[in-house]
Amino acid sequence: DSGVTQTPKHLITATGQRVTLRCSPRSGDLSVYWYQQSLDQGLQFLIQYYNGEERAKGNILERFSAQQFPDLHSELNLSSLELGDSALYFCASSVSQPTGELFFGEGSRLTVL
Amino acid sequence: DQQVKQNSPSLSVQEGRISILNCDYTNSMFDYFLWYKKYPAEGPTFLISISSIKDKNEDGRFTVFLNKSAKHLSLHIVPSQPGDSAVYFCAAKGGSQGNLIFGKGTKLSVKP
Repeated sequence: DSGVTQTPKHLITATGQRVTLRCSPRSGDLSVYWYQQSLDQGLQFLIQYYNGEERAKGNILERFSAQQFPDLHSELNLSSLELGDSALYFCASSVSQPTGELFFGEGSRLTVL
Repeated sequence: DQQVKQNSPSLSVQEGRISILNCDYTNSMFDYFLWYKKYPAEGPTFLISISSIKDKNEDGRFTVFLNKSAKHLSLHIVPSQPGDSAVYFCAAKGGSQGNLIFGKGTKLSVKP
């Protein structure tokens, strides 16, 4: 158990809809990262928050947005969903350390029909 | 443009033998390299890392080698066990940014 909690574990929705994925980081971790893993793809970095502020942005679509709340949990909002958004979405957290080790949750599997 | 590449999608090894997983990178500014292991229906878990100023790091059955001139790293698992069967991701960290850049993974199957 990494200590990172993600909900929901599975989500099935239709094209055009909007969903929210939630992440609770490990106790004490200030950084939260969101990654997307599509079929046959590696983990694609979407966005990072540190203590409530956006720190870095990766390949995140404009239809996607995220935020980190004062209690450090984070939400990833996906809107105007398309079939190609079907993927595993992972949240990770870390203490700031030079080695870069991230602790991942079990992921939220999104299926868009 | 992929900055971290794992060119072998899969690898099959006999139990007790050595497993060698390879990874290439393009960005010479990466300062740490990490290997993660992922079982189905679970999140990736950290396995071992190496600083860009080192050429080898060992942890039990796992050893990571870094060849900076070739921009290549490898993970050696000796001896391989059936429980090692998983997808292995190579990742790199660049400078002050905390996010990791991952390869596409190599699926390792260790046959009893």
